[in-house]
Amino acid sequence: NAGVTQTPKFRVLKTGQSMTLLCAQDMNHEYMYWYRQDPGMGLRLIHYSVGEGTTAKGEVPDGYNVSRLKKQNFLLGLESAAPSQTSVYFCASRMTGIYEQYFGPGTRLTVT
Amino acid sequence: QQQVKQSPQSLIVQKGGISIINCAYENTAFDYFPWYQQFPGKGPALLIAIRPDVSEKKEGRFTISFNKSAKQFSLHIMDSQPGDSATYFCAARNNNDMRFGAGTRLTVKP
Repeated sequence: NAGVTQTPKFRVLKTGQSMTLLCAQDMNHEYMYWYRQDPGMGLRLIHYSVGEGTTAKGEVPDGYNVSRLKKQNFLLGLESAAPSQTSVYFCASRMTGIYEQYFGPGTRLTVT
Repeated sequence: QQQVKQSPQSLIVQKGGISIINCAYENTAFDYFPWYQQFPGKGPALLIAIRPDVSEKKEGRFTISFNKSAKQFSLHIMDSQPGDSATYFCAARNNNDMRFGAGTRLTVKP
């Protein structure tokens, strides 16, 4: 039981490049979330999903897109990376009816 | 505009002492208040959580005190240990919107 995994762990992008971050969970959780963590700002919700095929915007969605084609996977895409998107990205998931979120280990993204 | 304000930013405590971290919120629609612990290079992990109909919750050395009228809640770590050195985040939930405080870096000196 791996819990929540994230791929890749580290990535460096140039401004304007695109990439996709993958989150996978093996706990059969309905809900999945993408957060970014910046120094002095805690975690901020980017997008979330309440089930396969559904997505919704969070607090800071601009510049990101997401897809949830399979229940166990939640993808975060950056179409045209900007230096302001340099951050640590965390994925989380939870069961229906249980508020506790389980977090992955994070992806450190640097945009130069 | 941060909906959950956390203080202090950093805290140094001697081994065996009490660590206290405070959070304040504005949105009365928040219905779940967790505390997360994060070690360097790791994702946050749930430490303890409380609902607004309870004023205190204790789990081992960790206690949440909740003051609904003041819209404040705090984490108390009794008998702090060097292994408790980590960053602590308070949070507050409203439906699928979880808002986090900015974090407190706790250092417990041996």
